Amino acid sequence: NAGVTQTPKFQVLKTGQSMTLQCAQDMNHNSMYWYRQDPGMGLRLIYYSASEGTTDKGEVPNGYNVSRLNKREFSLRLESAAPSQTSVYFCASSGRDGDNEQFFGPGTRLTVL
Amino acid sequence: GQSLEQPSEVTAVEGAIVQINCTYQTSGFYGLSWYQQHDGGAPTFLSYNALDGLEETGRFSSFLSRSDSYGYLLLQELQMKDSASYFCAVRYNFNKFYFGSGTKLNVKP
Repeated sequence: NAGVTQTPKFQVLKTGQSMTLQCAQDMNHNSMYWYRQDPGMGLRLIYYSASEGTTDKGEVPNGYNVSRLNKREFSLRLESAAPSQTSVYFCASSGRDGDNEQFFGPGTRLTVL
Repeated sequence: GQSLEQPSEVTAVEGAIVQINCTYQTSGFYGLSWYQQHDGGAPTFLSYNALDGLEETGRFSSFLSRSDSYGYLLLQELQMKDSASYFCAVRYNFNKFYFGSGTKLNVKP
């Protein structure tokens, strides 16, 4: 089992460009999450999905959109990238709604110039 | 809103015991988690406390006092590989998690 996978690993964008970060899990988990981590900081929740077809805002949703394509995949879209969105983005999943342990992907390191 | 406080950095020697404290202010509190993150890596789950008391998992233990809005992570028999950042995170409103800024643990020989 690969666990949680994310693509791409690294990305450089210019201000105003758009892109989609992909996340997939093969653990048959219901809940999936997107976080961002700025240098020297903790993780901040952007969006989460408790189950296929449902999404909800987290702490810092502005500038982002998400799609829970199916049970395995949860994508994060930046419609018009800004330098303030330079960060490391982590996707995570957990087994059931409200499950305590989250499994994290390796992260996507995004730089917006 | 949510807030978490934990020390930014702690240093200890190999073989020693270290305690990392976490105080929180949270509405809709469900529990407190701890995660470990090595430089450049992804966070990995260590423990979760929903009720008051101590949970032990090998060399690591975690404690929660809901009345004091306080918890800690205790690491025993420190090893060099324990050098990492440790994050406390509150679970609130059932499905949401709020992470602290992390404590960087330096283990010295």
